[in-house]
Amino acid sequence: QEQLVESGGGVVRPGRSLRLSCAASGFTFSNYGMHWVRQAPGKGLEWVAVMWNDGSKTFYADSVKGRFTISRDNSKNTLFLQMSSLRAEDTAMYYCATYVVSSNYYYFDFWGQGTLVTVSS
Amino acid sequence: DIQMTQSPSSLSASVGDRVTLTCRASQSISSNYLNWYQQKLGTAPKILIYATSTLQSGVPSRFSGSGSATAFTLTISNLQPEDFATYYCQQTITNPLTFGGGTKVAIK
Repeated sequence: QEQLVESGGGVVRPGRSLRLSCAASGFTFSNYGMHWVRQAPGKGLEWVAVMWNDGSKTFYADSVKGRFTISRDNSKNTLFLQMSSLRAEDTAMYYCATYVVSSNYYYFDFWGQGTLVTVSS
Repeated sequence: DIQMTQSPSSLSASVGDRVTLTCRASQSISSNYLNWYQQKLGTAPKILIYATSTLQSGVPSRFSGSGSATAFTLTISNLQPEDFATYYCQQTITNPLTFGGGTKVAIK
């Protein structure tokens, strides 16, 4: 059964860095583009970044561009999000999600349970 | 960027009611790239409907989606207790992918 498990969240001071991981199991990880999506406490969903299944392309939200880096290790079925220069407004639950891509539709299929990042002094 | 606007932001309804949630895009998008997610408190979102009207496997048939261009709707007929949640629309036609602000469906 498909599973995504995020880890690496915690409390961090503004300006510091944090690396999130998303471990995949139960499906062929290398076949899927992967996204990070975040949700600030009590707020809606915000897309953060995507990496193509083979790592050939990445895209970022303007709010994190230049500060966050998405990467993956297909040999270890793991997705990463390296976050630097963290700000209070980066405080959120961070979810990873698989991307179903076909000729006629794109959508997020499996989601992890999320890992909470709190940026506070 | 394509802005997605959902209305209402919240509503109260009773079990058995029919409710309609609206999602508007700031520019026309192909119906192939409009999705709906359900999120229950404290859990991750779950795909309900993709490509405007295609139900994800396992989603009850009381959920339906429709629309085109800039106006889309999610309808829940015969609302059940497990349907009380927040619903988000999303466009996936272009980066940055964007979500609507959500509609919270609460028990009256």
